[in-house]
Amino acid sequence: GQNIDQPTEMTATEGAIVQINCTYQTSGFNGLFWYQQHAGEAPTFLSYNVLDGLEEKGRFSSFLSRSKGYSYLLLKELQMKDSASYLCAVWAYSSASKIIFGSGTRLSIRP
Amino acid sequence: DTAVSQTPKYLVTQMGNDKSIKCEQNLGHDTMYWYKQDSKKFLKIMFSYNNKELIINETVPNRFSPKSPDKAHLNLHINSLELGDSAVYFCASSRVHNEQFFGPGTRLTVL
Repeated sequence: GQNIDQPTEMTATEGAIVQINCTYQTSGFNGLFWYQQHAGEAPTFLSYNVLDGLEEKGRFSSFLSRSKGYSYLLLKELQMKDSASYLCAVWAYSSASKIIFGSGTRLSIRP
Repeated sequence: DTAVSQTPKYLVTQMGNDKSIKCEQNLGHDTMYWYKQDSKKFLKIMFSYNNKELIINETVPNRFSPKSPDKAHLNLHINSLELGDSAVYFCASSRVHNEQFFGPGTRLTVL
């Protein structure tokens, strides 16, 4: 079956660092995406990992371990505007290639 | 100059009615999608079209019928609306197997 797990909610402090984990079990794997979604808005692309390792992009970094079926999104120097849901999504391939989304992690930033 | 646009943004209707949501993208992408996001914020794929051909059709009631008149458009028609159809519907587009760009969403409320 296809399964993507991430924590439902997290809270962090402005200026701090937070790590959002994602584990997945899918039929076939071609890559993993992270999206950010502010309340009432559309998801927007943050990162895409295909190979194992860390991809850094400004304050955001994403890590992938294909052998462990594990990824994390690391957010540094947190700002209030980072309060949003973060969606882990896997590009899976079984009978058809498609992207499967996790249920998202709602991150709240406190001053 | 909006990349992916959807109309209408809000749709309130009575149970049993038929309604359509339109989607257009000007990014030159060859793949378009419809997603449903329910009250628990779970984003689930419904349909995917590549070059006007249906490539993904999840277990969606046949009251939902997508139509792609050309590569830049993917419309969603819903017959005999039910209470459970209330959700936010997102259109998205991508080059095949790349990051997806989402429209602003259509919030459908069935009374």
